[in-house]
Amino acid sequence: AQSVAQPEDQVNVAEGNPLTVKCTYSVSGNPYLFWYVQYPNRGLQFLLKYITGDNLVKGSYGFEAEFNKSQTSFHLKKPSALVSDSALYFCAVRDIPNDYKLSFGAGTTVTVRA
Amino acid sequence: DTGVSQNPRHKITKRGQNVTFRCDPISEHNRLYWYRQTLGQGPEFLTYFQNEAQLEKSRLLSDRFSAERPKGSFSTLEIQRTEQGDSAMYLCASSDRGTSEQHLSYEQYFGPGTRLTVT
Repeated sequence: AQSVAQPEDQVNVAEGNPLTVKCTYSVSGNPYLFWYVQYPNRGLQFLLKYITGDNLVKGSYGFEAEFNKSQTSFHLKKPSALVSDSALYFCAVRDIPNDYKLSFGAGTTVTVRA
Repeated sequence: DTGVSQNPRHKITKRGQNVTFRCDPISEHNRLYWYRQTLGQGPEFLTYFQNEAQLEKSRLLSDRFSAERPKGSFSTLEIQRTEQGDSAMYLCASSDRGTSEQHLSYEQYFGPGTRLTVT
């Protein structure tokens, strides 16, 4: 069965500093990996995905993520964080070809201070 | 198109009552998913529709839960005889058309959710 771990419940950074949100996964097949962001009282918004190809994936709002097969990781990064990036971030995996549903991590709360 | 919509946004009910939630997916999307999210957790898969066919149900979906998508457009999720443990955010998502292989790479678009409180 597939699973996702987000080892940090909270990440705090100063505005302008680099932001990293960690994610590791476990699958029996090949992973399709996704990052979503959730703002208060709103649904999850898609940020980016890794399907195949280049290990560095670029997404919305200046975010990017690096797929590392040997470390089974898919960390989300932003070179310069904004206060408006403060939100709840979820990593999700789909285990290919065994399954099509998304399995989510528990989420990481990001707080960017001015 | 304004994305996935869900109604109601909030529902407070007494234990033992039945509740029904509605999800309207993005119009051209033929796949629809229901998830449940509790505080401090990520969304957990409940069930999945391709057009009107319900293709999978999670073990989380007890006999008190039923979901339908009668015409392959909107979907309803009903909970009978609600229990306090049913209190959660119920999320609906949809994804675009494609072959069985293609759609695996598609992201899911989520609605704002229905927050259920059972007292």
